[in-house]
Amino acid sequence: AQKITQTQPGMFVQEKEAVTLDCTYDTSDPSYGLFWYKQPSSGEMIFLIYQGSYDQQNATEGRYSLNFQKARKSANLVISASQLGDSAMYFCAMREADSWGKLQFGAGTQVVVTP
Amino acid sequence: GAVVSQHPSWVICKSGTSVKIECRSLDFQATTMFWYRQFPKQSLMLMATSNEGSKATYEQGVEKDKFLINHASLTLSTLTVTSAHPEDSSFYICSANGDLAGRVTFYEQYFGPGTRLTVT
Repeated sequence: AQKITQTQPGMFVQEKEAVTLDCTYDTSDPSYGLFWYKQPSSGEMIFLIYQGSYDQQNATEGRYSLNFQKARKSANLVISASQLGDSAMYFCAMREADSWGKLQFGAGTQVVVTP
Repeated sequence: GAVVSQHPSWVICKSGTSVKIECRSLDFQATTMFWYRQFPKQSLMLMATSNEGSKATYEQGVEKDKFLINHASLTLSTLTVTSAHPEDSSFYICSANGDLAGRVTFYEQYFGPGTRLTVT
């Protein structure tokens, strides 16, 4: 069964606007971590932000913030003040505590930032 | 710090031949390395988990005899695609976590730049 769900295959966003990328997850493990990665056309995976299941506050890293709603099992990524360089594929991923560090990825959301 | 390299970055091989892809952690000891495959416009699919000095653990549906993984040292893991066929053409990405200057990278997984394999 799919453990990470990203329902938005693609999005257009205007430069300088904020964009929210949806991610829901499914796990029965009380200890887990949620990640967001950016993959530009070059293919490299760029780590953006991390949220632990026991973290009380939402994670933030510069223009990236994670809207973590544990009860709803959602971990949406918010990119503020979008830039042209933000155009890329964005993946949500989860690591469960007993998974030896394995990451499970969602299908991804293609973001295109327009001038 | 925490750099993972892959070699080659791209490779073209003929159907029926084998190709080896190397994944190296350059500035840390990678106790665990992961191999992913990514088809165009799709997500990363985990193929196997490799721990130094032990046999790799393959995900369901991944042929062990076709995708040979060797994690011979704390800085090197190799993936050999044996008897490659056009359907094996894909983007292969490795990642690693481990001990970074004495700090165990519990939550961060470092990715290599990927290897694009084309089988003709």
